[in-house]
This record gives sequence, structure tokens and C-alpha cells, in this order.
Amino acid sequence: NAGVTQTPKFRVLKTGQSMTLLCAQDMNHEYMYWYRQDPGMGLRLIHYSVGEGTTAKGEVPDGYNVSRLKKQNFLLGLESAAPSQTSVYFCASRPSGREQFFGPGTRLTVL
Amino acid sequence: QQQVKQSPQSLIVQKGGISIINCAYENTAFDYFPWYQQFPGKGPALLIAIRPDVSEKKEGRFTISFNKSAKQFSLHIMDSQPGDSATYFCAASRQTSGSRLTFGEGTQLTVNP
Repeated sequence: NAGVTQTPKFRVLKTGQSMTLLCAQDMNHEYMYWYRQDPGMGLRLIHYSVGEGTTAKGEVPDGYNVSRLKKQNFLLGLESAAPSQTSVYFCASRPSGREQFFGPGTRLTVL
Repeated sequence: QQQVKQSPQSLIVQKGGISIINCAYENTAFDYFPWYQQFPGKGPALLIAIRPDVSEKKEGRFTISFNKSAKQFSLHIMDSQPGDSATYFCAASRQTSGSRLTFGEGTQLTVNP
């Protein structure tokens, strides 16, 4: 099992550009999450999904959109990137239990 | 609004010493309190977790102490080793709303040989 994978690992964008981050899990988990990690702020939840076809807002959803068309994939989109979205983005998934399994992260820089 | 407050921000201990990281929470509806360990360039990984019906949980050198009345919990690392050097996050969640995790700010632990 690959677990939780994230694509790409690194990306540099210019202000106003758009991009999509892909999270994939092969553990048949129902729940998936997108977090951003910034120095001194821990991890903050952007959006999450409780199952295929569902999404919900987290703590810091503004400027991001998500989709969960397939159970194994959770996509995070930035329509018009801003420097404030420079961060490390982590995807996580979990089964019916409470433990969340994290991917390796995507480091995004917006110039 | 930071619902989970963590301290200290950084911690340096000598090999063999005890590392202690503290967290405080506000929401009494939280019913699950995990600690995650993160090495540079990696995603966080669950280290140990506790539920509020117990006051202490121990797994090897790692112990969580939980004080429900004070709304505080802490991680103790006994016999700290250089391999324990990492960033540690406390977190909290409740069963509803997808069991979303609310994280503390993180503690960067350095264990000197």
C-alpha cells in the first residue's frame, strides 16, 4: 500500500495563477482532509470530506475549492493564487476510527 | 481563535532527560486528544492518543497526562533520545463534524547527544 500520496511535491506559482493539488489514498478511507501548515500556527483545516461526493469547509477555506468525485481522490484547487497561500499543504485520510494518516506534503510558493 | 494552545514553542533537552510539552484546550466537547510527531520533510504521524475518561496513558517512553477539570494535557518523553528530535503537535477533536482535528501550534524538540 502506498498510503496517502500527494502530487506535486513542490510548486512555484505567480500571483493570480491557478493550480490543483491531488491527494490519493489506497486504504479505502471514507474521510479525507486538507490542511495547511505555517510556522508557529500548527496545521489548520482548509476543507474536508466525509465521503465520496461530499465536501465541507474547515477553519480557513477562503481562496480554496475542493472536489471528491472518487472515494480515493481529494483535490484542492486554488483559482487565483495569492502570496498568503504560500504554505506546506498536507492531505490526510482516516477510516472509521479517529486516527488520521497524513501524506508527505506539498510545498507551495506564490510569488 | 486558537482552541488548542501549546507550549513551549521550542525545547532543548539532553539525552536521557525528560521532555515535557503542554497543551490547553477550550472546547469541552472535545473527546479525543492525540499527539502527532513530525520529522523534517515528512507528514505528521500519530504518536499516542487519549480519551477524557482516563487520566494517563503510557506507550513505551511516551506518556500522556490528562487533566479534564483544568482542560489541560501533556506529553512526557522519558529517557529522551536524539532520534526523538522532531516537531510535536497536540490536537483535539470531537466525534461530530467529521472528527476534524484542531492542532496546537507545535513544539520543536531537540535532544542533544
